[in-house]
Amino acid sequence: QKEVEQNSGPLSVPEGAIASLNCTYSDRGSQSFFWYRQYSGKSPELIMFIYSNGDKEDGRFTAQLNKASQYVSLLIRDSQPSDSATYLCAVNVYGNKLVFGAGTILRVKS
Amino acid sequence: ETGVTQSPTHLIKTRGQQVTLRCSSQSGHNTVSWYQQALGQGPQFIFQYYREEENGRGNFPPRFSGLQFPNYSSELNVNALELDDSALYLCASSPWTSGSWEETQYFGPGTRLLVL
Repeated sequence: QKEVEQNSGPLSVPEGAIASLNCTYSDRGSQSFFWYRQYSGKSPELIMFIYSNGDKEDGRFTAQLNKASQYVSLLIRDSQPSDSATYLCAVNVYGNKLVFGAGTILRVKS
Repeated sequence: ETGVTQSPTHLIKTRGQQVTLRCSSQSGHNTVSWYQQALGQGPQFIFQYYREEENGRGNFPPRFSGLQFPNYSSELNVNALELDDSALYLCASSPWTSGSWEETQYFGPGTRLLVL
Protein backbone atom coordinates (compact mmCIF):
# COMPACT_ATOMS: atom_id res chain seq x y z
CA GLN A 1 0.00 0.00 0.00
CA LYS A 2 1.36 3.38 -0.98
CA GLU A 3 1.86 5.83 1.86
CA VAL A 4 -0.04 8.63 0.11
CA GLU A 5 -2.59 7.91 -2.59
CA GLN A 6 -4.28 10.25 -5.03
CA ASN A 7 -6.48 9.67 -8.04
CA SER A 8 -4.26 10.48 -11.01
CA GLY A 9 -7.12 11.99 -13.02
CA PRO A 10 -7.40 13.92 -15.13
CA LEU A 11 -10.22 15.62 -13.30
CA SER A 12 -12.09 17.89 -15.69
CA VAL A 13 -14.35 20.65 -14.42
CA PRO A 14 -15.99 23.59 -16.19
CA GLU A 15 -14.87 27.12 -15.42
CA GLY A 16 -16.61 28.45 -12.32
CA ALA A 17 -17.30 25.02 -10.84
CA ILE A 18 -15.93 23.51 -7.64
CA ALA A 19 -13.01 21.12 -8.08
CA SER A 20 -12.62 18.47 -5.38
CA LEU A 21 -9.26 16.75 -5.00
CA ASN A 22 -8.80 13.86 -2.61
CA CYS A 23 -5.91 12.15 -0.86
CA THR A 24 -5.59 9.25 1.57
CA TYR A 25 -2.59 8.36 3.70
CA SER A 26 -1.52 5.24 5.55
CA ASP A 27 0.47 6.48 8.58
CA ARG A 28 -1.93 7.24 11.44
CA GLY A 29 0.82 9.15 13.22
CA SER A 30 1.02 11.82 10.52
CA GLN A 31 0.41 15.27 11.92
CA SER A 32 0.71 17.74 9.07
CA PHE A 33 -0.56 17.78 5.54
CA PHE A 34 0.21 19.94 2.54
CA TRP A 35 -1.20 20.69 -0.88
CA TYR A 36 1.15 21.79 -3.63
CA ARG A 37 0.31 22.91 -7.15
CA GLN A 38 2.70 22.04 -9.97
CA TYR A 39 2.45 23.47 -13.45
CA SER A 40 3.99 21.47 -16.27
CA GLY A 41 7.76 21.85 -16.27
CA LYS A 42 7.78 23.84 -13.02
CA SER A 43 8.48 23.05 -9.39
CA PRO A 44 5.78 22.49 -6.72
CA GLU A 45 4.22 25.61 -5.24
CA LEU A 46 2.68 25.49 -1.76
CA ILE A 47 -1.06 26.20 -1.72
CA MET A 48 -2.09 25.26 1.78
CA PHE A 49 -1.17 23.28 4.86
CA ILE A 50 -3.44 21.86 7.53
CA TYR A 51 -2.67 20.34 10.91
CA SER A 52 -6.05 20.00 12.66
CA ASN A 53 -9.20 18.08 11.85
CA GLY A 54 -11.80 20.13 10.04
CA ASP A 55 -11.70 22.78 7.37
CA LYS A 56 -9.19 25.50 6.63
CA GLU A 57 -10.05 28.19 4.11
CA ASP A 58 -7.75 30.49 2.17
CA GLY A 59 -9.39 32.49 -0.59
CA ARG A 60 -10.85 30.11 -3.15
CA PHE A 61 -9.14 27.12 -1.55
CA THR A 62 -10.41 24.97 1.32
CA ALA A 63 -8.42 22.11 2.80
CA GLN A 64 -10.31 19.46 4.75
CA LEU A 65 -8.72 16.95 7.12
CA ASN A 66 -10.22 13.86 8.73
CA LYS A 67 -7.54 12.02 10.70
CA ALA A 68 -9.89 9.23 11.77
CA SER A 69 -10.51 8.37 8.13
CA GLN A 70 -6.92 9.26 7.13
CA TYR A 71 -8.28 11.53 4.45
CA VAL A 72 -7.40 15.01 3.29
CA SER A 73 -9.01 16.97 0.49
CA LEU A 74 -8.68 20.25 -1.35
CA LEU A 75 -11.66 22.16 -2.71
CA ILE A 76 -11.15 24.87 -5.30
CA ARG A 77 -14.14 27.16 -5.69
CA ASP A 78 -14.84 29.18 -8.84
CA SER A 79 -12.28 27.16 -10.77
CA GLN A 80 -10.34 29.10 -13.41
CA PRO A 81 -8.41 27.84 -16.45
CA SER A 82 -5.26 29.05 -14.66
CA ASP A 83 -5.96 26.43 -11.96
CA SER A 84 -5.21 23.70 -14.52
CA ALA A 85 -2.18 21.92 -13.09
CA THR A 86 -1.12 18.84 -11.16
CA TYR A 87 -2.05 18.96 -7.47
CA LEU A 88 0.25 17.12 -5.11
CA CYS A 89 -0.79 15.97 -1.66
CA ALA A 90 2.08 15.66 0.83
CA VAL A 91 2.21 14.25 4.33
CA ASN A 92 4.88 14.96 6.91
CA VAL A 93 5.67 11.43 8.08
CA TYR A 94 8.51 12.09 10.52
CA GLY A 95 11.42 14.40 10.96
CA ASN A 96 10.20 16.92 8.44
CA LYS A 97 10.27 14.36 5.62
CA LEU A 98 7.46 14.92 3.14
CA VAL A 99 5.89 11.92 1.43
CA PHE A 100 4.06 12.88 -1.74
CA GLY A 101 1.29 11.28 -3.69
CA ALA A 102 1.69 10.97 -7.45
CA GLY A 103 -0.59 13.93 -8.00
CA THR A 104 -3.98 14.60 -9.59
CA ILE A 105 -4.15 16.37 -12.93
CA LEU A 106 -6.85 19.07 -12.92
CA ARG A 107 -8.19 20.52 -16.14
CA VAL A 108 -10.51 23.51 -16.00
CA LYS A 109 -12.37 24.02 -19.26
CA SER A 110 -13.47 27.50 -20.30
CA GLU B 1 8.92 32.93 -6.06
CA THR B 2 10.17 31.27 -2.89
CA GLY B 3 13.69 32.67 -2.74
CA VAL B 4 15.19 29.19 -3.10
CA THR B 5 17.58 29.02 -6.04
CA GLN B 6 19.10 26.04 -7.79
CA SER B 7 21.78 25.57 -10.41
CA PRO B 8 22.11 24.51 -13.09
CA THR B 9 18.59 24.52 -14.53
CA HIS B 10 19.31 21.72 -16.98
CA LEU B 11 22.08 19.16 -17.27
CA ILE B 12 22.90 16.31 -19.64
CA LYS B 13 25.29 13.59 -18.51
CA THR B 14 26.23 10.12 -19.67
CA ARG B 15 25.89 6.91 -17.71
CA GLY B 16 28.70 6.42 -15.20
CA GLN B 17 29.51 10.10 -14.84
CA GLN B 18 29.22 12.14 -11.66
CA VAL B 19 27.10 15.25 -11.14
CA THR B 20 26.86 18.03 -8.54
CA LEU B 21 23.69 20.07 -8.11
CA ARG B 22 23.55 23.23 -6.02
CA CYS B 23 20.92 24.93 -3.90
CA SER B 24 20.74 28.20 -2.02
CA SER B 25 18.03 28.25 0.60
CA GLN B 26 15.65 31.07 1.33
CA SER B 27 16.97 33.71 3.70
CA GLY B 28 16.44 32.60 7.30
CA HIS B 29 15.94 28.95 6.35
CA ASN B 30 18.50 26.63 7.86
CA THR B 31 17.27 23.22 6.76
CA VAL B 32 17.51 21.94 3.23
CA SER B 33 15.84 18.85 1.80
CA TRP B 34 16.44 17.25 -1.56
CA TYR B 35 13.82 15.41 -3.60
CA GLN B 36 13.87 13.47 -6.87
CA GLN B 37 10.84 13.71 -9.12
CA ALA B 38 10.60 11.26 -11.99
CA LEU B 39 8.24 12.04 -14.85
CA GLY B 40 4.62 11.54 -13.85
CA GLN B 41 5.46 10.88 -10.21
CA GLY B 42 5.44 12.87 -7.00
CA PRO B 43 8.73 14.03 -5.49
CA GLN B 44 10.62 11.41 -3.47
CA PHE B 45 12.65 12.40 -0.41
CA ILE B 46 16.40 11.88 -0.82
CA PHE B 47 17.81 13.44 2.35
CA GLN B 48 17.75 16.51 4.57
CA TYR B 49 20.53 18.66 6.02
CA TYR B 50 20.46 20.73 9.17
CA ARG B 51 23.47 22.48 10.67
CA GLU B 52 25.72 20.91 8.06
CA GLU B 53 24.75 17.35 9.04
CA GLU B 54 22.52 14.83 7.35
CA ASN B 55 19.24 14.72 9.25
CA GLY B 56 17.27 11.92 7.69
CA ARG B 57 17.58 9.96 4.48
CA GLY B 58 15.12 8.31 2.14
CA ASN B 59 15.48 5.07 0.23
CA PHE B 60 18.36 6.12 -2.01
CA PRO B 61 21.73 4.37 -2.44
CA PRO B 62 24.97 5.78 -1.01
CA ARG B 63 26.02 7.10 -4.40
CA PHE B 64 23.61 9.93 -3.60
CA SER B 65 25.41 12.19 -1.14
CA GLY B 66 25.19 15.76 -0.01
CA LEU B 67 26.70 18.66 1.83
CA GLN B 68 25.44 21.72 3.62
CA PHE B 69 27.64 24.77 4.08
CA PRO B 70 27.75 27.32 6.93
CA ASN B 71 25.64 29.72 4.86
CA TYR B 72 22.98 26.94 4.64
CA SER B 73 23.49 26.40 0.92
CA SER B 74 23.68 22.76 -0.13
CA GLU B 75 24.97 20.37 -2.76
CA LEU B 76 23.63 17.07 -4.02
CA ASN B 77 26.21 14.75 -5.53
CA VAL B 78 25.36 11.67 -7.55
CA ASN B 79 28.10 9.25 -8.54
CA ALA B 80 28.03 6.51 -11.18
CA LEU B 81 24.97 7.95 -12.90
CA GLU B 82 22.36 5.50 -14.16
CA LEU B 83 19.69 6.04 -16.79
CA ASP B 84 17.00 5.94 -14.07
CA ASP B 85 18.60 8.95 -12.39
CA SER B 86 17.05 11.11 -15.11
CA ALA B 87 14.60 13.29 -13.20
CA LEU B 88 13.82 16.72 -11.83
CA TYR B 89 15.87 17.31 -8.67
CA LEU B 90 14.22 19.64 -6.22
CA CYS B 91 15.66 21.46 -3.26
CA ALA B 92 13.35 22.66 -0.51
CA SER B 93 14.14 24.81 2.49
CA SER B 94 12.38 25.38 5.77
CA PRO B 95 13.19 27.46 8.85
CA TRP B 96 14.04 26.39 12.37
CA THR B 97 12.38 28.92 14.64
CA SER B 98 11.37 29.03 18.28
CA GLY B 99 13.02 25.72 19.02
CA SER B 100 11.25 23.68 16.36
CA TRP B 101 11.03 23.20 12.66
CA GLU B 102 8.39 25.00 10.74
CA GLU B 103 7.23 22.08 8.72
CA THR B 104 6.34 23.96 5.57
CA GLN B 105 8.88 23.39 2.84
CA TYR B 106 9.43 25.81 -0.01
CA PHE B 107 10.77 24.47 -3.27
CA GLY B 108 13.31 25.90 -5.65
CA PRO B 109 12.84 25.78 -9.44
CA GLY B 110 14.65 22.44 -9.75
CA THR B 111 17.41 21.00 -11.89
CA ARG B 112 16.37 18.75 -14.75
CA LEU B 113 18.96 16.00 -15.22
CA LEU B 114 19.05 13.80 -18.28
CA VAL B 115 21.33 10.76 -18.25
CA LEU B 116 22.12 9.26 -21.65
